[in-house]
Amino acid sequence: AQTVTQSQPEMSVQEAETVTLSCTYDTSENNYYLFWYKQPPSRQMILVIRQEAYKQQNATENRFSVNFQKAAKSFSLKISDSQLGDTAMYFCASGSSNTGKLIFGQGTTLQVKP
Amino acid sequence: EAGVAQSPRYKIIEKRQSVAFWCNPISGHATLYWYQQILGQGPKLLIQFQNNGVVDDSQLPKDRFSAERLKGVDSTLKIQPAKLEDSAVYLCASSLGQGVVTGELFFGEGSRLTVL
Repeated sequence: AQTVTQSQPEMSVQEAETVTLSCTYDTSENNYYLFWYKQPPSRQMILVIRQEAYKQQNATENRFSVNFQKAAKSFSLKISDSQLGDTAMYFCASGSSNTGKLIFGQGTTLQVKP
Repeated sequence: EAGVAQSPRYKIIEKRQSVAFWCNPISGHATLYWYQQILGQGPKLLIQFQNNGVVDDSQLPKDRFSAERLKGVDSTLKIQPAKLEDSAVYLCASSLGQGVVTGELFFGEGSRLTVL
């Protein structure tokens, strides 16, 4: 079974500052992927970043990077130089490579303040 | 490239009525997902199709919810009869292959259901 837990319901950060969103997961799968998705207010869910579990190197996409701790089953998202457009709900998700099943956490609402 | 299309965007019904949502995935995408997202919560997977076969429907309330994917392309999700707790946004997503193996999921804008 797959579970994803996000323990921070809401967070805020000043524009241009750095913020880290936390996520822990549990899975019985050997082959899996981890994701962070962004859902802006009243807009579609879009992919922010993904990490293959077999890779030790942390994924990076421009201002977004992850800290993947496989043994601890932890997968946090760091947003550097926060922008007003980063205001959104962020979901951590775990996906099975075998079945393609994608399970989401409860979400963290991030507010970037000017 | 056209995205995932969903309709209707909004629907208000009385409890015990029925409702149907339609999804047209990105052309060529083999896998289609329906998620239920209650306000302030994360999406919950209802059903996953691979072409026109069901891969996972373990969390679909089968006494009232049904879904089909005609000819492995578009899909319909039906609720009959609706309950108050069904008020949510119903998200459709598609992916090229077996989901996470080949790439990301692409989401539609969702269908917002209000049950009175």
